[in-house]
Amino acid sequence: AQSVTQLDSQVPVFEEAPVELRCNYSSSVSVYLFWYVQYPNQGLQLLLKYLSGSTLVKGINGFEAEFNKSQTSFHLRKPSVHISDTAEYFCAVISGGSYIPTFGRGTSLIVHP
Amino acid sequence: KAGVTQTPRYLIKTRGQQVTLSCSPISGHRSVSWYQQTPGQGLQFLFEYFSETQRNKGNFPGRFSGRQFSNSRSEMNVSTLELGDSALYLCASSLVSGGQGYEQYFGPGTRLTVT
Repeated sequence: AQSVTQLDSQVPVFEEAPVELRCNYSSSVSVYLFWYVQYPNQGLQLLLKYLSGSTLVKGINGFEAEFNKSQTSFHLRKPSVHISDTAEYFCAVISGGSYIPTFGRGTSLIVHP
Repeated sequence: KAGVTQTPRYLIKTRGQQVTLSCSPISGHRSVSWYQQTPGQGLQFLFEYFSETQRNKGNFPGRFSGRQFSNSRSEMNVSTLELGDSALYLCASSLVSGGQGYEQYFGPGTRLTVT
């Protein structure tokens, strides 16, 4: 069975500072990995995805993530955050022939001025 | 392309009533999934429909049901509403064809409040 752990429930950071949101997954087979963002009163929006190939994946809004198979991690990074990045971020994994992603519990990114 | 649409956006119901929520996927997407999102439980998978057939099901009671029509539009129904059913219900569509299109595209959700 696949599972996803987002290690931080809340990450406060000042504007223009770098940020890393951590995600670890457990699966013994090949995986597809995703990061989604949810703004208040909205659905989830795909930020980026890893299916195969380069382990460094670039997404929208300046975010990027690195797939590390040996550490079973897929951490999300941004070098300089803006107030508008304040939102809930979800990591998700698909593996083992399933079409259904398993989501983490989410990390609330709070950007202070 | 138009995104995933969900109707209604907000709904208030009384315990014991039933409710039907609607979802129109992105054109060409044949897979539609439903999720319940609450502060306490996070995102929980309800079920997935593909070509009018329920292909996957989460761990929810039989009061939660769904269906998909030939145009891929989907509805979910909750009967005998309980206070604990208050949540944001999210619909997501995906292409899932030929080993591609695993990412899901979400609608804005329906906020259900049960009083």
